[in-house]
Amino acid sequence: GAVVSQHPSWVICKSGTSVKIECRSLDFQATTMFWYRQFPKQSLMLMATSNEGSKATYEQGVEKDKFLINHASLTLSTLTVTSAHPEDSSFYICSASEGGWYGYTFGSGTRLTVV
Amino acid sequence: SQQGEEDPQALSIQEGENATMNCSYKTSINNLQWYRQNSGRGLVHLILIRSNEREKHSGRLRVTLDTSKKSSSLLITASRAADTASYFCATDSGNTPLVFGKGTRLSVIA
Repeated sequence: GAVVSQHPSWVICKSGTSVKIECRSLDFQATTMFWYRQFPKQSLMLMATSNEGSKATYEQGVEKDKFLINHASLTLSTLTVTSAHPEDSSFYICSASEGGWYGYTFGSGTRLTVV
Repeated sequence: SQQGEEDPQALSIQEGENATMNCSYKTSINNLQWYRQNSGRGLVHLILIRSNEREKHSGRLRVTLDTSKKSSSLLITASRAADTASYFCATDSGNTPLVFGKGTRLSVIA
C-alpha cells in the first residue's frame, strides 16, 4: 500500500531558529501534498496544498513567509518553519495524494517544540 | 476551514459496549472518511464511504451516511480498551484537501 514517510518524528528547537520537516511518498508519485497542523486536543487544520513544481496554496491565516513549502519532486515536499516561536509548537502532519480518493496517505507526523 | 463537527466531543464507555460517534458537515461532498488517532500519533484510515453509499461495514466498524442530513455516524461494536483514541471524520469534494472535523475522544475502560 501507499506509504508516506515524515521526518523527523519530533524536534525541539530554540526560538528564532528554522526547522525543516520532510514528507516523502515512498512507493507512489504524489502530485499533491497537503500540510496540516494540529494543536493539542484539537483537530487537524489544513495549512497549505502543494503541487509538484508549483507554488503552494496557503489557507487563510497561514503566513506563507513563515511556513515555506517546497514540492520540488513527485516524492518529496518540505515544510520549513522559519524563525520559530513557542506558539508554533504543534503537531505537523503531511498527506500525499496521487490523485483521486486513493491519495490522502498520511505521514506519521512531526512534534515540534519551540523553547 | 473546518467543516465536520463530531458529536460527542468526548465519550467514555465500558469495554464490550458499543460506541457511536456522529459527524455533520456543511457542504456537498464526494467522500467521507473516518480516521483514528492515538494520542500524539499519526492518523490511521479506518473507512471511506462515498456520497452514493448509505452504509458500510469493516470488521467491528459500521459507518452510515445520510447526505440529506449531511451527517455520518461511526459505530464501533464490542469496544476494547485498545479502541481508546480520537476519531475524526473528514470530507472531500473531489480533488480537494480533506477537511477534518473536531474529533471525538473515545475512552474505553477495561
